[in-house]
Amino acid sequence: NAGVTQTPKFRVLKTGQSMTLLCAQDMNHEYMYWYRQDPGMGLRLIHYSVGEGTTAKGEVPDGYNVSRLKKQNFLLGLESAAPSQTSVYFCASSDRDRGPSDTQYFGPGTRLTVL
Amino acid sequence: AQKVTQAQTEISVVEKEDVTLDCVYETRDTTYYLFWYKQPPSGELVFLIRRNSFDEQNEISGRYSWNFQKSTSSFNFTITASQVVDSAVYFCALSEAPSNTGKLIFGQGTTLQVKP
Repeated sequence: NAGVTQTPKFRVLKTGQSMTLLCAQDMNHEYMYWYRQDPGMGLRLIHYSVGEGTTAKGEVPDGYNVSRLKKQNFLLGLESAAPSQTSVYFCASSDRDRGPSDTQYFGPGTRLTVL
Repeated sequence: AQKVTQAQTEISVVEKEDVTLDCVYETRDTTYYLFWYKQPPSGELVFLIRRNSFDEQNEISGRYSWNFQKSTSSFNFTITASQVVDSAVYFCALSEAPSNTGKLIFGQGTTLQVKP
């Protein structure tokens, strides 16, 4: 049982490049989330999904897109990376059966630098 | 608006001292959940506790204890007899049940340094 995994762990992009971050969970959780962590700002929600095939915007969605084609995977895409997207990205998942505010379990994070 | 404030940006203590991390939240809802997470230097986020708004009992888990007071909208975290391994960033977070999405609103985090 690996929990929540994220790929890649580190990435450096040039401005304008695109990339996809992959989050996978093996706990059969319905809910999945993408957050970004910036110094002094805690974690902020980018996008989230309450089930396979559904996604919704969070607090800071601009410049990002997501897809949840399979229940266990939640992809975060950057179509045209900007230096402002330099951050640490965390994926999380939680179990709907225990209510929408059940504990979220986090992946190890992806450190992204945009030059 | 929903908000979580951790006014202490950094705290430094000497090993074996007790330390309290403050968390103040704002919400208009009567049903909500509060969380604490620990982020050690390795970077992962470790779940510590989840409390719902109807349960104001204080909780103790080993050297960790939590004081939930609805009257002051606070959910403070105390580490007794701190150890070097407690050095980490600690986040308080709020989730509002009626939103049915489980979204978490995080505080800015408090960096705790425990010196030997």
